Amino acid sequence: RKEVEQDPGPFNVPEGATVAFNCTYSNSASQSFFWYRQDCRKEPKLLMSVYSSGNEDGRFTAQLNRASQYISLLIRDSKLSDSATYLCVVILPAGGTSYGKLTFGQGTILTVHP
Amino acid sequence: EPEVTQTPSHQVTQMGQEVILRCVPISNHLYFYWYRQILGQKVEFLVSFYNNEISEKSEIFDDQFSVERPDGSNFTLKIRSTKLEDSAMYFCARGRLVETQYFGPGTRLLVL
Repeated sequence: RKEVEQDPGPFNVPEGATVAFNCTYSNSASQSFFWYRQDCRKEPKLLMSVYSSGNEDGRFTAQLNRASQYISLLIRDSKLSDSATYLCVVILPAGGTSYGKLTFGQGTILTVHP
Repeated sequence: EPEVTQTPSHQVTQMGQEVILRCVPISNHLYFYWYRQILGQKVEFLVSFYNNEISEKSEIFDDQFSVERPDGSNFTLKIRSTKLEDSAMYFCARGRLVETQYFGPGTRLLVL
């Protein structure tokens, strides 16, 4: 089983649509969770952290279900500028055997069209 | 966030040659990382560097790889004898906290 698994897509949606991405992770000891965004041939950029209580940042909402080892990202009112690859990322606790190693999913490609 | 600089932005080298990739992080950041991304594949962890020592490394980070912070500022990744499969985008990341990592723009390495 892959450490972090995402539906690669691609997702093609019109402007204004709502789109949801899912991600599962295999290591139940994972403590921190993130969504990164990566534009073509660019570096990953932190979009938002994901907390157990769920969190929202403008049009973006992230959810975490520890029991199911499942993370989601919801984008409302999609914009053309949201077109990118969305990366699900988990991290094991610092200390012990990990000092912040980010484990990435393969990414989900989103294209928002006019 | 302050910018992280990586040099060079692109490098083409012959198989078997040594390459040195450089990252200039922010001085008050404690945690430094190298990741790579082969074209069309996911981002993969290579090595983490904390308190001027390697704290963790992946299976990819074999004896051909080394990291240094030679002058307390630049953070370098050296590949001693490049292979074709080393062709990838190499990203430096840094942070004040383990959980907050910001990536540089990357160095695109092509091994011929």
